[in-house]
Amino acid sequence: NAGVMQNPRHLVRRRGQEARLRCSPMKGHSHVYWYRQLPEEGLKFMVYLQKENIIDESGMPKERFSAEFPKEGPSILRIQQVVRGDSAAYFCASSPQGMNTEAFFGQGTRLTVV
Amino acid sequence: GQQLNQSPQSMFIQEGEDVSMNCTSSSIFNTWLWYKQDPGEGPVLLIALYKAGELTSNGRLTAQFGITRKDSFLNISASIPSDVGIYFCAGYLVAARQLTFGSGTQLTVLP
Repeated sequence: NAGVMQNPRHLVRRRGQEARLRCSPMKGHSHVYWYRQLPEEGLKFMVYLQKENIIDESGMPKERFSAEFPKEGPSILRIQQVVRGDSAAYFCASSPQGMNTEAFFGQGTRLTVV
Repeated sequence: GQQLNQSPQSMFIQEGEDVSMNCTSSSIFNTWLWYKQDPGEGPVLLIALYKAGELTSNGRLTAQFGITRKDSFLNISASIPSDVGIYFCAGYLVAARQLTFGSGTQLTVLP
């Protein structure tokens, strides 16, 4: 049973380009969460999704950021027109029944904007 | 929103020593989780706590869910070099539907 899979592990984008980060949850998990981690800081919640639905996006910046979790395929975190301040590690977590049960994290995607 | 105060921020200990770290909050939580993060990796779940007063062990790790529901501690006994990393507490509140993370404790184990 594979864990939470994120790709790519490292992503370099020039300012103004788009970044697409993918997350495949653990088998049997239908709840996905995205977190952002700046260097030497804790993880900050961005968005919570279930299949085809956004449940809570209170941590998402109002512009340029979007997330989806389609019926088929991985969850996608999309950042349009990236800026240097978007450079961070982005982690995806999944759980079977919502965050009050164990949530397991992927290895993250490290985005660098140059 | 909820905030977690995690302390200490960093610790330097000798191999074989015991370690204790804790998290406090002004808000109550329904669940407390403790994670370890190695450089370049994602957080790995160590212990999950679901009831106030609950004391749970995982090998050399022991964690407790405070009676007030506003705090939790993690103890590591007889530390070894592979314990090096950043330890995060995280609290879950049903109403908030999200995990709130502490700022982490950087643990260094000296030989």
